[in-house]
Parts: sequence; C-alpha cells; structure tokens
Amino acid sequence: GQQVMQIPQYQHVQEGEDFTTYCNSSTTLSNIQWYKQRPGGHPVFLIQLVKSGEVKKQKRLTFQFGEAKKNSSLHITATQTTDVGTYFCAGRSGGYQKVTFGTGTKLQVIP
Amino acid sequence: DTEVTQTPKHLVMGMTNKKSLKCEQHMGHRAMYWYKQKAKKPPELMFVYSYEKLSINESVPSRFSPECPNSSLLNLHLHALQPEDSALYLCASSQGDRTYEQYFGPGTRLTVT
Repeated sequence: GQQVMQIPQYQHVQEGEDFTTYCNSSTTLSNIQWYKQRPGGHPVFLIQLVKSGEVKKQKRLTFQFGEAKKNSSLHITATQTTDVGTYFCAGRSGGYQKVTFGTGTKLQVIP
Repeated sequence: DTEVTQTPKHLVMGMTNKKSLKCEQHMGHRAMYWYKQKAKKPPELMFVYSYEKLSINESVPSRFSPECPNSSLLNLHLHALQPEDSALYLCASSQGDRTYEQYFGPGTRLTVT
C-alpha cells in the first residue's frame, strides 16, 4: 500500500531559526495536504497542493510540491513559539478517496 | 460554522462494555471519516462515508461498527474492545470525498481497561 514518510521525525530549533520538513510518497500523488497538530489537539488543515512543481506561501510558511508529485516540503521562516506542534503531510493517490497521513515531524521551538 | 463536534471527550470502558462515539457537523459536508490515532503516530483511517454510504472500510475489526444516520451525524459503535484499542478517535468531514480539505473534531480519548 501507499506509504508516506516524513523527515526529520523531530526538530528542535531556537526561536527565529528556520525549519523544514520533507514528505516522500512511495506512489505518485494526485494532491497533497498539510496539517498541523498542536500538543493535545487535533489536526488542522493548512494547505493543499495539486499541480506538479506548485509553490504556495502563507505568511512565514512555504509549501512545495515536487515535479514528480511524489514529494513535498514545508518551510517555516523565522520560527515562533506558536509554530510548536506536529506537522503532517497527507497524500491522496489518483481518484481514490483515501488520504494517507505521513509519519509527521514534531517541531519544538526554544524561546 | 466550521466546527466538527465529538462526544464524549473522554471514555473509559471495560472489554465487555458497549459504547458509542458521536460526531456532528453542520457545514453541509458530504464526506465523513473516522480515524484512530495512537500516541506519537499519525492518524490512521478507519472508515469513510460518502453521501451517507460507507465507501471505505480499512479492514477494521468488527468490534468497531460505524453508522451514518444522516448527512450531519456519524457514530462509531464499540463492543468487546481490547486494551490495544485505547487511542484518540478522531472524526473528520470534508465538502466532497476526493479533493477537499478535512476538518477534524477534537477527538474522543478512549481507554479500554
């Protein structure tokens, strides 16, 4: 079945440093979504990418979808303590209804 | 209203009990989902309902029984669970079932004793 891996598993950064998490799928994706889960919370949708090579920005967050539509990345510029949480990518193959969540990257921001 | 509600927030049940988890959304979404999330793991899809019909069952044991009484409600009936079923159970909904973002509820923290 489809597997979606993320690296790194954990990342500790000083506040103000940048952060990047990478998402790799074993199969070609029709789209990819990113979610953030705060400690003790539930996943919250951040963004969806659909096109090959697509880049989207949300303030300090930059999302990319690979040319082959098998990988994606999330980059946060100048992290803040409010960025703390686990970031999940979630990929969908073809017209299939199922979204497979990546393994997640837990971000800790040290003030 | 972009909220998905789930009840109860916490549930402790014995292995012989029968209980139900409830999920509700009033966004007019036509797809609803049940996920199971163990600590430090990603959500794992259990069931998908599309237009009130079960469209995906990810080989979930029969001790978990989903029900979608109408387009706004989703239930998960639990019976004869095992301790390893203890987890956070998340409900989600989306506008459609293929390309839309999912809105998650706060989850039910289930402990099976």
